Amino acid sequence: GAVVSQHPSRVICKSGTSVKIECRSLDFQATTMFWYRQFPKKSLMLMATSNEGSKATYEQGVEKDKFLINHASLTLSTLTVTSAHPEDSSFYICSARDRGESTDTQYFGPGTRLTVL
Amino acid sequence: AQSVTQPDIHITVSEGASLELRCNYSYGATPYLFWYVQSPGQGLQLLLKYFSGDTLVQGIKGFEAEFKRSQSSFNLRKPSVHWSDAAEYFCAVGGFSGNTPLVFGKGTRLSVIA
Repeated sequence: GAVVSQHPSRVICKSGTSVKIECRSLDFQATTMFWYRQFPKKSLMLMATSNEGSKATYEQGVEKDKFLINHASLTLSTLTVTSAHPEDSSFYICSARDRGESTDTQYFGPGTRLTVL
Repeated sequence: AQSVTQPDIHITVSEGASLELRCNYSYGATPYLFWYVQSPGQGLQLLLKYFSGDTLVQGIKGFEAEFKRSQSSFNLRKPSVHWSDAAEYFCAVGGFSGNTPLVFGKGTRLSVIA
């Protein structure tokens, strides 16, 4: 199947700093990518939909000024957690949508574990 | 609205035993159906998918799933479970227009005992 990479896999930062997470589709172009957050032993919570060349669409309750999303190319989306606080500590997973004539599948990155001290 | 139900939160099976994880969906049109597996601290890996055609779908790691339209189900099966299959399994429905993402079930945690 298609491959989605995510970097970094793990990051520890101090409260008040910003952290950028990159998501890349390695062998297909993705006009749409999604960012999820996952709490321990819970299902995925969709944070936002990232569209190449346009503004992201955020889910209700997700602060767009805190979680900045940029989808500058068909293979790269970034999530920046600004002024991070301990409550932002979580597992963040991106997903890229591979959509074509005979396919429509979301592939997921390996996730980023964010710890804010 | 679309929804996915995975009735079993946690299942424990013995190594070598057969496995069936249940998934029911609610969607007005013909759905695209998926099963993903997530090991602790990892992302989601696609096991298999159904778009159309043969209702019995083969996936990776020896898994298969059967689409039953009359029951709105897409159950995942494996004839002989290995200890490495212990993980969280998510059923999802997709193929929606626009930018609508997959709709996931809440997941089933599989434990494998010796």
